[in-house]
Amino acid sequence: AQRVTQPEKLLSVFKGAPVELKCNYSYSGSPELFWYVQYSRQRLQLLLRHISRESIKGFTADLNKGETSFHLKKPFAQEEDSAMYYCALSGMGGSYIPTFGRGTSLIVHP
Amino acid sequence: DAGVTQSPTHLIKTRGQQVTLRCSPKSGHDTVSWYQQALGQGPQFIFQYYEEEERQRGNFPDRFSGHQFPNYSSELNVNALLLGDSALYLCASSLGPTLGSPLHFGNGTRLTVT
Repeated sequence: AQRVTQPEKLLSVFKGAPVELKCNYSYSGSPELFWYVQYSRQRLQLLLRHISRESIKGFTADLNKGETSFHLKKPFAQEEDSAMYYCALSGMGGSYIPTFGRGTSLIVHP
Repeated sequence: DAGVTQSPTHLIKTRGQQVTLRCSPKSGHDTVSWYQQALGQGPQFIFQYYEEEERQRGNFPDRFSGHQFPNYSSELNVNALLLGDSALYLCASSLGPTLGSPLHFGNGTRLTVT
């Protein structure tokens, strides 16, 4: 079974501070990993996916197969980054339907 | 370009009743997935429809059923409602039921069962 764990329900930082939202997964095969974001009063939307290896809005995420992690990072947080962040996993050989973590609420204070 | 649209936005039903939620996918998308999101939790997969057939199903009872129409729109039906069915129901569309196909979500339908 595939499982996604986001250990922090809430992460509170000040503007300009580094941010790391943790995501650990449990899956025996080769996972496809995503970060989705939901800003206030907006719909859930894709932020980035690991195979793209891109930086979106200054966020990056590296897949660490040894530690089975896919943490989301940003060197300098902005107030507009305040949102709910969900890590999701799809698995080849298992269910390709994304399994979501419970989410981490990021609050960036001015 | 219209994104994923869901109706209604809010719904209040009584225990034991039946409810139908509707979803129109993003233009060009042919696959619809339904998720249930309880308060403080991440979205939980209910089922996915592609080519008018249920392709995959999550751990939900048979009271939850669905349908996909030739125009790719979809319905989620829940029978014999329980208080625990109160949640936000999200519809997500994608291009094909393939691994890694990003999901595009609607705003959801908030269902309250009293």
